[in-house]
Amino acid sequence: QKEVEQDPGPLSVPEGAIVSLNCTYSNSAFQYFMWYRQYSRKGPELLMYTYSSGNKEDGRFTAQVDKSSKYISLFIRDSQPSDSATYLCAMINYKLTFGKGTLLTVNP
Amino acid sequence: NAGVTQTPKFRVLKTGQSMTLLCAQDMNHEYMYWYRQDPGMGLRLIHYSVGEGTTAKGEVPDGYNVSRLKKQNFLLGLESAAPSQTSVYFCASRAGGSYNEQFFGPGTRLTVL
Repeated sequence: QKEVEQDPGPLSVPEGAIVSLNCTYSNSAFQYFMWYRQYSRKGPELLMYTYSSGNKEDGRFTAQVDKSSKYISLFIRDSQPSDSATYLCAMINYKLTFGKGTLLTVNP
Repeated sequence: NAGVTQTPKFRVLKTGQSMTLLCAQDMNHEYMYWYRQDPGMGLRLIHYSVGEGTTAKGEVPDGYNVSRLKKQNFLLGLESAAPSQTSVYFCASRAGGSYNEQFFGPGTRLTVL
């Protein structure tokens, strides 16, 4: 079993939809949980990070961590075409471990 | 403040040729990383450095060497390129401590024929 599992998609939604992106993990030592966004032909950039279980909101984005289920989610409300990108979950124990990324397309 | 820069942006090599990828950061970060990104494989760590003069192996180190002679630079070398090393290479850096944001460069697209 891989340490971090992420459905690669692709995921295609209409503008304005609510998007849910998810990752599961197997290593209970992971302490910090992040979501990176990567536009085509660009490097990843940090979108959000959380430390503990619960929700963290930033504008249209909400990151959710459930340590008991080893499950993290990123929700995007009122999705926009500019949200079209690959979203990578990432987690830290002593090093950063990435999921494979989910390709999201938001259609106008 | 340029952040993390990578040189070159693109390169085509023939099998057996060698090359060096340069990563530079101007944020005085202690930690630097080299990743490769392949379709369906995600980001995989090649080598990393926790400070000037130190390097360590990551997940997929074979066929690569690195050096960190200066704190702001991290070099990735391919001594004898193989088609399996065709990939997009990303450098990243972060400050020291248990958690700090990792900043990525724009990537180098390498094709080995």
